[in-house]
Amino acid sequence: GESVGLHLPTLSVQEGDNSIINCAYSNSASDYFIWYKQESGKGPQFIIDIRSNMDKRQGQRVTVLLNKTVKHLSLQIAATQPGDSAVYFCAENGGGADGLTFGKGTHLIIQP
Amino acid sequence: GAVVSQHPSWVICKSGTSVKIECRSLDFQATTMFWYRQFPKQSLMLMATSNEGSKATYEQGVEKDKFLINHASLTLSTLTVTSAHPEDSSFYICSARDPSGGPPDTQYFGPGTRLTVL
Repeated sequence: GESVGLHLPTLSVQEGDNSIINCAYSNSASDYFIWYKQESGKGPQFIIDIRSNMDKRQGQRVTVLLNKTVKHLSLQIAATQPGDSAVYFCAENGGGADGLTFGKGTHLIIQP
Repeated sequence: GAVVSQHPSWVICKSGTSVKIECRSLDFQATTMFWYRQFPKQSLMLMATSNEGSKATYEQGVEKDKFLINHASLTLSTLTVTSAHPEDSSFYICSARDPSGGPPDTQYFGPGTRLTVL
């Protein structure tokens, strides 16, 4: 079946640097994408979302880029802080309002 | 903002027993809730879609007779793991859609329930 996957399972960055987390999706019907942050033992926390009619969306310190041509999604975190340490998941809606399909996750580690 | 709670936050049970997990939308009415399962160091996998007043829709490979879902009100869905076995040990997370505000596909997630079957 179709799936959403991430390129790197672990990403280590220096505090203060920018982080870029990538995601590849394969369901061409998906028109809504979300990035979640999950800390150990907790549920997913919404970070930012983007619809397929956009290619970029910015939030506070975060930016999501969507490239529909190559089915690629990325999350950019500016000036990474220790509190950003977590596992980050991308998710897609499959084109409907049903349950989400999650990617494998990237563990972001912040080096002091 | 929309808040979803789960109870209990963690539970330990003996093999062969049943465990019920509750998912509540605290400040909105959710006609649709979703149940996900997450094994250690893995991603969330959708188990089923819970619709208020009707039968749940299960994903392929999820046993509906083992994972009983009841969505009897607009603010409560329950997941009962029947005859639990150690391989059912996992992190169970629910989410809910708020039809009254925001995009129809926005989901609000609960904090999760850690189930350990001995």
